[in-house]
Amino acid sequence: AQTVTQSQPEMSVQEAETVTLSCTYDTSESDYYLFWYKQPPSRQMILVIRQEAYKQQNATENRFSVNFQKAAKSFSLKISDSQLGDAAMYFCASSGNTGKLIFGQGTTLQVKP
Amino acid sequence: NAGVTQTPKFQVLKTGQSMTLQCAQDMNHEYMSWYRQDPGMGLRLIHYSVGAGITDQGEVPNGYNVSRSTTEDFPLRLLSAAPSQTSVYFCASSWGDARSTDTQYFGPGTRLTVL
Repeated sequence: AQTVTQSQPEMSVQEAETVTLSCTYDTSESDYYLFWYKQPPSRQMILVIRQEAYKQQNATENRFSVNFQKAAKSFSLKISDSQLGDAAMYFCASSGNTGKLIFGQGTTLQVKP
Repeated sequence: NAGVTQTPKFQVLKTGQSMTLQCAQDMNHEYMSWYRQDPGMGLRLIHYSVGAGITDQGEVPNGYNVSRSTTEDFPLRLLSAAPSQTSVYFCASSWGDARSTDTQYFGPGTRLTVL
């Protein structure tokens, strides 16, 4: 079975600074995918970034990047140059052989002006 | 192109009542799924479908039924609502499952309260 754990219920960052959200996972599968989703107050779920486990290179999408530590089963999200629009709840998720998404508990990010 | 639509946006039920949450997508996606989101917990998969006529259970299927008679629609039925089913429900669709597709498209959610 897969599990995803986000141990930070809330985080805050000053506008224009950098913040890192933590995520750990557990899986017995050799082929899996990891994701970060953003959920703003509108409640829509928006894909931020995706990482294939077989790729050693960390995924990046503009100001968003991940630190994928496969041996440690860690998958953190770094947001650089934080903007007010980044304020949201962020979910880490994994998907294995079944293709089903398993989500963590979420981290609420506050961005202070 | 409306994406994934869900109706209703809000619903209040009494214990024992039944209702259907509607989900539709106009992107010709094969893969559709239903999640529930509870405070302090991530989204949990209720049921999913890999195509018309094919459905399967997720993590928390008890108390819910689904069917997939068309590619576009994937309704979620609560046969006898219970207070434990108070939650926000999300429908999602994609070309394939999470391994093979870049994006899961989520609907705006339905907030359900069971008294």
